[in-house]
Formats: sequence, structure tokens, C-alpha cells
Amino acid sequence: QVQLQESGPGLVKPSETLSLTCAVSGYSISSGYYWGWIRQPPGKGLEWIGTIYHSGSTYYNPSLKSRVTISVDTSKNQFSLKVRSVTAADTAVYYCARRIAVAGTVYFDYWGQGTLVTVSS
Amino acid sequence: EIVLTQSPGTLSLSPGERATLSCRASQSVSSGYLAWYQQKPGQAPRLLIYGASSRATGIPDRFSGSGSGTDFTLTISRLEPEDFAVYYCQQYGSSPMYTFGQGTKLEIK
Repeated sequence: QVQLQESGPGLVKPSETLSLTCAVSGYSISSGYYWGWIRQPPGKGLEWIGTIYHSGSTYYNPSLKSRVTISVDTSKNQFSLKVRSVTAADTAVYYCARRIAVAGTVYFDYWGQGTLVTVSS
Repeated sequence: EIVLTQSPGTLSLSPGERATLSCRASQSVSSGYLAWYQQKPGQAPRLLIYGASSRATGIPDRFSGSGSGTDFTLTISRLEPEDFAVYYCQQYGSSPMYTFGQGTKLEIK
């Protein structure tokens, strides 16, 4: 069974960098698929942040691209998210997920439980 | 960027009734690239439907998806108490880019 688990600080100060890690178990990142980050502000909808392949190839939401970096560590079977210069608008539950692309379909099949990150001084 | 608009925003129904949720895209979406998710309070989204009409593993057959082009529908044939939740559609587009609809809240009447 594939499992994803987010971890990182729950509180970040404005203008600082938000850093999260997603540990994957039950599947080797090196075996393939893309891995992504999605966030959800309290009481609002879902926003895709970006995705990464095990080779390190990345794609980002244009609205966040200037502040976001996603990286992968295949030796630890995990991938990470950094969001720079955060503001209160970055307060959200952050999810990591596995992206599937097969037979002409694309979707996120496994998701972590999510972690709430609050931006506040 | 393709915008997905879901309707209604809130749907009030009783257990046993049929639910029809709509997802309309601002531009044509490949059917293979349209998915539906269910989210309950405090939980992560759960994949229900992919490729517009294929049920994910373990999803009951009362859930079905249909549609093409710019209009897609999620239908729950007979509502069970555990089906009351928020539902999101999601599309994959060029660039690449993934966008979600704003969600439909299905509540007990």
C-alpha cells in the first residue's frame, strides 16, 4: 500500500521560507511517476503547486513559480517543497500526492493526510 | 489557463436520493484528463473517478462519471450517509497545469 506523509513546521513567520517534506512508503520514487504538492487554504478549494519526477524534472504553477522549489531525494524516498517569502496568503493545509499518467489519463491517486502551515508572526 | 466551474455550490439531498454534480470547463478538456475527488472534513481528497468515467479502485458503483468537451457530470445514484462531503473536479492541461473546480458541498437535507 502506497503511503505519503508530510512533515515540517506548522508555523512560519512572514517573509521566511516554508519547508515541507513528503516521505513515501510502499513504492519507490525511483520506479517512476510524478509526485506533487497541492495546498488548500482554510475553508477554500484546492490549488496545485507543482510536480517533480524522480529525475528531478519539475513543473510549477505559474502563479507560484517565482517562490517555489520542489526537490527529490531518491535515497530517502522523499520529496520536498520550499516556498520563499511567505505571507498570510500562504496559510493552508499542504498535501503531497502521487500523480499517475497511464493510458491517456492523468490524476492524483494517493494523497498524504495533509499538514497545516500557518504564516504568522 | 482552463477554469473549472462547479455547480451547484451546495446541494441539499436526502439519503436514497440521486445526486447530479456538474463541472464546466472554460475550454475543451480531454476526457482522459478529467478527474473527480471526494473530501470529508479533516481528510485529504480521495480519488473517485478518473478519465471522466472510470471508477478508482474500491469506489462503489453508485458513483459514475460522464461527459466530454466542456461539460462533465458526477452522479451518485442513491446517496448513502457517508456520501455527504465536498466534491471537486480536476483537469490536467498543457504546460503542464492542473486546476480544480471550487467544489460542490453535498449536504443532508
